[in-house]
Amino acid sequence: NAGVTQTPKFRILKIGQSMTLQCTQDMNHNYMYWYRQDPGMGLKLIYYSVGAGITDKGEVPNGYNVSRSTTEDFPLRLELAAPSQTSVYFCASSYPAHGPGRYEQYFGPGTRLTVT
Amino acid sequence: QKEVEQDPGPLSVPEGAIVSLNCTYSNSAFQYFMWYRQYSRKGPELLMYTYSSGNKEDGRFTAQVDKSSKYISLFIRDSQPSDSATYLCAMTEDSNYQLIWGAGTKLIIKP
Repeated sequence: NAGVTQTPKFRILKIGQSMTLQCTQDMNHNYMYWYRQDPGMGLKLIYYSVGAGITDKGEVPNGYNVSRSTTEDFPLRLELAAPSQTSVYFCASSYPAHGPGRYEQYFGPGTRLTVT
Repeated sequence: QKEVEQDPGPLSVPEGAIVSLNCTYSNSAFQYFMWYRQYSRKGPELLMYTYSSGNKEDGRFTAQVDKSSKYISLFIRDSQPSDSATYLCAMTEDSNYQLIWGAGTKLIIKP
C-alpha cells in the first residue's frame, strides 16, 4: 500500500493564480482531511469529508474548495492565491472502526506552497 | 485562550536523557489523547494514543493523562538522536473525528 499520496511536493504560485492540490489514499478510508501547517502553529483543519459526495468546512476554509467524487481522492482547490496561503498542506485519512485507535489519522508527505 | 497549549520549544537535551513533553487543554469533554511524531519535511505519524486517564507504555515511550489537571505528558527514556523531531499532541471527544492539535514541540537530542 502506498498509503496517502500528495502531489505536487512543491509549488510556487503568483498572487491571483489558482491550483489544485491532489490527494489519494489506497486504504479504503472513508474519512479524509485537509490541514495547513504554519511554523509554530500546529495543524489547522481546512476541510474534511466523511465519504464520497460529503464534505464540510473545518476551522480555516476561506479561500479553499474541495470535492470528493470517489473514496480514494480528495483534491483541494485554491482560487485566487494570496500570500496568506503560503504554508505546508497535509492530507490525511482515517477509518472510524471500533476501538480507541479509530481516531488515528494517516498523513501524506505534504505539499509546500509559496505564494508571491 | 487556545483549546490546547503546547510549548513549541525547541527543547535540546543530551543523548540518554529522559525527555518530558507536555500539553494542557481546556475542554473537559476530551477523552482520547494522541501523540504524533513529525520528522523534518514529513507528515505526522501516530506514536501513541490513550483513552481517558492513566498511563500507557510502549518501549521507551510513556504517555500519561491527568484529566483532573487537564494535562497530558509524553516521556521518552534513554533518548536517541533519532528521536529528534517535532512532537504534536492531539485530542478529541468521543465520536468526534476532528482532532484538536497542539502547536508541536521541537525536540533536539544532542549526540
